[in-house]
Amino acid sequence: GNSVTQMEGPVTLSEEAFLTINCTYTATGYPSLFWYVQYPGEGLQLLLKATKADDKGSNKGFEATYRKETTSFHLEKGSVQVSDSAVYFCALPGVTGGGNKLTFGTGTQLKVEL
Amino acid sequence: KAGVTQTPRYLIKTRGQQVTLSCSPISGHRSVSWYQQTPGQGLQFLFEYFSETQRNKGNFPGRFSGRQFSNSRSEMNVSTLELGDSALYLCASSHPTEGTQYFGPGTRLLVL
Repeated sequence: GNSVTQMEGPVTLSEEAFLTINCTYTATGYPSLFWYVQYPGEGLQLLLKATKADDKGSNKGFEATYRKETTSFHLEKGSVQVSDSAVYFCALPGVTGGGNKLTFGTGTQLKVEL
Repeated sequence: KAGVTQTPRYLIKTRGQQVTLSCSPISGHRSVSWYQQTPGQGLQFLFEYFSETQRNKGNFPGRFSGRQFSNSRSEMNVSTLELGDSALYLCASSHPTEGTQYFGPGTRLLVL
């Protein structure tokens, strides 16, 4: 099945710093790729997605580009805020075209300080 | 449009008991998936239901079961609870054609 590897956390940044969270995947074909965010005490929220190679997903200042050459989907934000402190998960379908079973990375905790 | 709702939000049980968790999907979504989240194992897929039929199943013991009703609402049941079943249980629903999963707030289960 498909799998995803995500950089370990925690990541601590100062407000307005640049953020990169690395995510690489192994997959059959070209499945959709997702970033989810989990704020303390809450469920997962879809942050952004890309459905095909070279697509760029974006939302709330976050971006990620589906790069099939490097099998990567790194999450970036140009200027983080304290309110971005959360855990970020990279995800893809467990089997390409095989229903709604998502496989998640281990999550990267982000802490943004003033 | 209302999001995915889960009840109850918090639950405390003792070993050996059973528990039932409920999930109401977004209106129009017919697929409901369940996940278990623990600090040690991360997010793991339990099962998926579509049109009242289990379509996918993860690698969990038979103590974990689920069902889906004709209105797409879903329940999961865990029998003979063990300490290791303490976790956040997340439900997600998806649109028939779009496929993206949207998650509820979760039910936090503590087994004592």
